Amino acid sequence: DQQVKQNSPSLSVQEGRISILNCDYTNSMFDYFLWYKKYPAEGPTFLISISSIKDKNEDGRFTVFLNKSAKHLSLHIVPSQPGDSAVYFCAANLLSGNTPLVFGKGTRLSVIA
Amino acid sequence: DAGVTQSPTHLIKTRGQQVTLRCSPISGHKSVSWYQQVLGQGPQFIFQYYEKEERGRGNFPDRFSARQFPNYSSELNVNALLLGDSALYLCASSLEQGAWDIQYFGAGTRLSVL
Repeated sequence: DQQVKQNSPSLSVQEGRISILNCDYTNSMFDYFLWYKKYPAEGPTFLISISSIKDKNEDGRFTVFLNKSAKHLSLHIVPSQPGDSAVYFCAANLLSGNTPLVFGKGTRLSVIA
Repeated sequence: DAGVTQSPTHLIKTRGQQVTLRCSPISGHKSVSWYQQVLGQGPQFIFQYYEKEERGRGNFPDRFSARQFPNYSSELNVNALLLGDSALYLCASSLEQGAWDIQYFGAGTRLSVL
């Protein structure tokens, strides 16, 4: 039973355009969400996070949007660059209590020059 | 500053053998977590250790065990290896054990069980 779902295994975007990666979750108790980026032969790298008290968090070219009623979050990358090509993982957990990160399966983003 | 380091990078074992994977956290980080990533899946939580004590355990059999040393480094042991244990094993460290604390991952140990 997957609690965090990334339904698009892959996404291709032209350089300079917007990349939108989507993530759905089923556990309504989750209140903290993170995005990690993973290059081949490297470990996942933290990108951006958002708590459930917010609906948007921005860091440079990266913005995460949270829709709690729909149990949906998305990561927007604007403008997309070839160096953004990687696998992106959505993860969730609970701020209260010591619960582990629950990851989605990941979406492979390819930014084409 | 050195990031999270894991050794070895690759390992080949046969069914029934035992394996030990090692992790050195970022200097000053007290919490270490272990994850298993099977091909095509996201990382799945195995253990968290904080101040040398187990603070969380995922849905893995007792063949999996871990420990954390006084210098905060950690080992993951897997006994009686099965083909299904073939995966990338990731170690992550964080300053403390709270959910706010960002986890920093190593590059992982790729284990192949033949």
